Amino acid sequence: QQQVKQSPQSLIVQKGGISIINCAYENTAFDYFPWYQQFPGKGPALLIAIRPDVSEKKEGRFTISFNKSAKQFSLHIMDSQPGDSATYFCAVAQGGSEKLVFGKGTKLTVNP
Amino acid sequence: KAGVTQTPRYLIKTRGQQVTLSCSPISGHRSVSWYQQTPGQGLQFLFEYFSETQRNKGNFPGRFSGRQFSNSRSEMNVSTLELGDSALYLCASSLVPGFYNEQFFGPGTRLTVL
Repeated sequence: QQQVKQSPQSLIVQKGGISIINCAYENTAFDYFPWYQQFPGKGPALLIAIRPDVSEKKEGRFTISFNKSAKQFSLHIMDSQPGDSATYFCAVAQGGSEKLVFGKGTKLTVNP
Repeated sequence: KAGVTQTPRYLIKTRGQQVTLSCSPISGHRSVSWYQQTPGQGLQFLFEYFSETQRNKGNFPGRFSGRQFSNSRSEMNVSTLELGDSALYLCASSLVPGFYNEQFFGPGTRLTVL
């Protein structure tokens, strides 16, 4: 049973465009929703994270939108740049646990 | 500050052998977690250690084991290797568990089982 469903699998965006990646979860006990970015040959790196007490969090060009009732959260990358080309993973966790449950990932390609 | 270090970076083994992977967390970090990354299954949690104790374990067979030392360094062991164990094994460290402190991932060990 897949606890976190991430879409799309791949995404191609033009430079300057908006990239949107979505995730949906089932377990309402999850209370931590991070997004990770992974470049080839590297481990994932935390990009931005949100707790369920807020509906949106913005850090620079990256924004998380969180819809608790729909059990969905999304990552928006504004003014996408070729350097943003990477694989993005959403994840969930609960109760302060270090155990992250990851989505399957989205490969983002930003064309110049 | 140095990042998470994993050794070796690449490893080739044959079926039936066993393997030990090593992880040195960021200085001062006391919590270490391990993940397996494959194209088919994605990133899957293996286990988490803090103060030399396993706090959490993922859904993997008993062939997968780990431990943590008093200096917070961690090792994971896979016995009786199978072809399906070929994967990137990632280690992540954080200050302490329980507070959603950022987890920092190492570059991983790429294990190939022939």
